[in-house]
Amino acid sequence: DAMVIQNPRYQVTQFGKPVTLSCSQTLNHNVMYWYQQKSSQAPKLLFHYYDKDFNNEADTPDNFQSRRPNTSFCFLDIRSPGLGDAAMYLCATSRDAGSKNIQYFGAGTRLSVL
Amino acid sequence: EDQVTQSPEALRLQEGESSSLNCSYTVSGLRGLFWYRQDPGKGPEFLFTLYSAGEEKEKERLKATLTKKESFLHITAPKPEDSATYLCAVQAVYSSASKIIFGSGTRLSIRP
Repeated sequence: DAMVIQNPRYQVTQFGKPVTLSCSQTLNHNVMYWYQQKSSQAPKLLFHYYDKDFNNEADTPDNFQSRRPNTSFCFLDIRSPGLGDAAMYLCATSRDAGSKNIQYFGAGTRLSVL
Repeated sequence: EDQVTQSPEALRLQEGESSSLNCSYTVSGLRGLFWYRQDPGKGPEFLFTLYSAGEEKEKERLKATLTKKESFLHITAPKPEDSATYLCAVQAVYSSASKIIFGSGTRLSIRP
């Protein structure tokens, strides 16, 4: 049973056209994360929510925004995608913050920018 | 600056040929070290977490060990289905409680 579900699996957008990626979880975890992963690179944390508290990484571009309307859902909005934003976007959850909290990942959304 | 370095970048083995993957880290205080497996086009799948030097965890053909500066993922008698990218990540004591830092991974390929 899928526990962290990302939709869509593949997304194609045009340069500058806003796009939204979706993540849902059935684990009832408090923390949800968004990562960007480019080919053969480490996943890079963009931001995370601890419950409703939003935590942005210092180097995350303003072009990237996120919403968490409830415990189960989290969205990644890219306001004006550039060619450099083409990547795999990974959503993850953890039960809580702190040590001994494993992050569980979804299958990812592959974003292409034309 | 916290860093996680994995080596080698890629490793090709014959089926049954045992080997080890390395993850070296520099953080000012380790909360935990995590190993994940990632198949092409998919999200990372959790394998192990280690918290203190000397700790070991095993799962099927995989065994993870931890020292104060590095972790090893030992693979014994691998099979073609073990082919994947193996990612190491660390959580530092002082950082945001939720943040983990990933290495770039080792791409493991097992030939039949």
